Amino acid sequence: GQNIDQPTEMTATEGAIVQINCTYQTSGFNGLFWYQQHAGEAPTFLSYNVLDGLEEKGRFSSFLSRSKGYSYLLLKELQMKDSASYLCAVRDRTGANNLFFGTGTRLTVIP
Amino acid sequence: GAVVSQHPSRVICKSGTSVKIECRSLDFQATTMFWYRQFPKQSLMLMATSNEGSKATYEQGVEKDKFLINHASLTLSTLTVTSAHPEDSSFYICSARSRTRVEAEAFFGQGTRLTVV
Repeated sequence: GQNIDQPTEMTATEGAIVQINCTYQTSGFNGLFWYQQHAGEAPTFLSYNVLDGLEEKGRFSSFLSRSKGYSYLLLKELQMKDSASYLCAVRDRTGANNLFFGTGTRLTVIP
Repeated sequence: GAVVSQHPSRVICKSGTSVKIECRSLDFQATTMFWYRQFPKQSLMLMATSNEGSKATYEQGVEKDKFLINHASLTLSTLTVTSAHPEDSSFYICSARSRTRVEAEAFFGQGTRLTVV
């Protein structure tokens, strides 16, 4: 099975940097995705990691360590509009390559 | 990025009736489509996986006779909630996978908010 953990809630200040962690246990790891989801809307794709290391995309970066079963999403220069839930999802080869989601981290950006 | 279109975005139906939700891949052929359900303040739960031209694979605990999935073409999958009850009220979301565009599965439809009254 899959076990994906991330903090439930985080709060950060506008303009600051925040790191959202995700740990996972899965038997057939085949990629990790990060999504942003605003309330009442569908998730939007942020990043994808399949190899160890850092992937940078503008203000957002995602890191993966497969040996540690660990990833983080780094958000820089926080803006109020970044207040949303951030979902970590793992693709599992033994699960027909399906995506399995963590519970999501609700980030609140304050002035 | 790949575009996945889902319709309708919102639907209200009476208890006991059926509702059909469509999921279309607009710029690629989706060999596999995924249907998720999300209750308020919870994460996405995979309901079923549909492959073009074959029967859907349902996750444990999901009633296949209640949630009918049809994937008749490479660009369209439908989810029909039969004999809907208030507890079926939820946010339903689809995503799609392409044989040639691996990253395509990263993109979701807009979601359908179903309210059963």
